[in-house]
Amino acid sequence: ETGVTQSPTHLIKTRGQQVTLRCSSQSGHNTVSWYQQALGQGPQFIFQYYREEENGRGNFPPRFSGLQFPNYSSELNVNALELDDSALYLCASSIRAGGKDEQFFGPGTRLTVL
Amino acid sequence: KQEVTQIPAALSVPEGENLVLNCSFTDSAIYNLQWFRQDPGKGLTSLLLIQSSQREQTSGRLNASLDKSSGRSTLYIAASQPGDSATYLCAVWNSNYQLIWGAGTKLIIKP
Repeated sequence: ETGVTQSPTHLIKTRGQQVTLRCSSQSGHNTVSWYQQALGQGPQFIFQYYREEENGRGNFPPRFSGLQFPNYSSELNVNALELDDSALYLCASSIRAGGKDEQFFGPGTRLTVL
Repeated sequence: KQEVTQIPAALSVPEGENLVLNCSFTDSAIYNLQWFRQDPGKGLTSLLLIQSSQREQTSGRLNASLDKSSGRSTLYIAASQPGDSATYLCAVWNSNYQLIWGAGTKLIIKP
């Protein structure tokens, strides 16, 4: 039990729609990272937020956006959904204290785009 | 650009055997390396984290080693059990606290 929760667990959307995925980090963790994992592949880094500011972004288009809130929750928003956006979306929280900085993952949200 | 490769992609062994999973990375300037386990349709469970200054970490029947100069890490599982069946992923940290992942090794332990 990592203490990181995500909602919803599963979600079905149609192409062109917008979606918001939510993550609740462990208390005190100032960093949240989001990953996309397509079936049979390793996760791909989407972006990271540190103290509510975006702090690094992977190779994802601007229609993927995020927010981090002071209460250790965060959101991933995806606009204009495409079929290839179907994947497991994982969030991970960590505290950037130097040294170990272990990331703790939530159970993920499985998004299906029809 | 950092690339992480895991070999083999799949492995099936009888229960009780010791086994080694391999992970290689192209850029030796990593911050940490972390091994994860993922059960079908589930999220990720962290198994071991090796800091860049360390050579290995152990937890129970698991031992992970890190050789930065050669760009390699291994995960050793002793006395394998059917419950060890899962996909094992390695990920390297870059200096921006971002994880770069391999595609995983799917492990099946046959009773």
